[in-house]
Amino acid sequence: AQRVTQPEKLLSVFKGAPVELKCNYSYSGSPELFWYVQYSRQRLQLLLRHISRESIKGFTADLNKGETSFHLKKPFAQEEDSAMYYCALSGWGSARQLTFGSGTQLTVLP
Amino acid sequence: NAGVTQTPKFRILKIGQSMTLQCAQDMNHNYMYWYRQDPGMGLKLIYYSVGAGITDKGEVPNGYNVSRSTTEDFPLRLELAAPSQTSVYFCASSYSRTDNEQFFGPGTRLTVL
Repeated sequence: AQRVTQPEKLLSVFKGAPVELKCNYSYSGSPELFWYVQYSRQRLQLLLRHISRESIKGFTADLNKGETSFHLKKPFAQEEDSAMYYCALSGWGSARQLTFGSGTQLTVLP
Repeated sequence: NAGVTQTPKFRILKIGQSMTLQCAQDMNHNYMYWYRQDPGMGLKLIYYSVGAGITDKGEVPNGYNVSRSTTEDFPLRLELAAPSQTSVYFCASSYSRTDNEQFFGPGTRLTVL
């Protein structure tokens, strides 16, 4: 069975500090990993995906197959980064459905 | 484009009542999904569809039914509401198996008393 674990429900950092949101997964095979974000009063939206290997809004995430992790990182947090972050996994079945972690609420303090 | 729309935004049901949560998308997406989110938990997949006339069960389908008669619409039916179905329901869509970014609706908050 596939599973996504986000060990931190809440994370607070000060503006300008580095931030790392942890994500671990279990899956038989090579999944596709995503980070979705939900800002206050907005819809859940895609932040980044591992296959694109992009930096979005200063965030990066590297897939570590050995440690089965996909941690989200940003070197200098901004107040506008405060949001709920969900790590998600997709297998390669026909429907490409997502399995979500329970989410981490990030608060960036001024 | 409106993207993914959901109605209603909020609803309170009594135990045993039925209702349909509406979901529509105007992006010509083939794939559509229904998730539920309980407090402090991640989203769990209820049902999904890979095209009109094709639906399948997700992780938590019990107590729900779906239909997909058109590409645009994917309603979720609760037949006999139970308190365990109190949750926030999200509809999502994506274009294809390879172009699989999911776009989400704003959610429906359902309370069953």
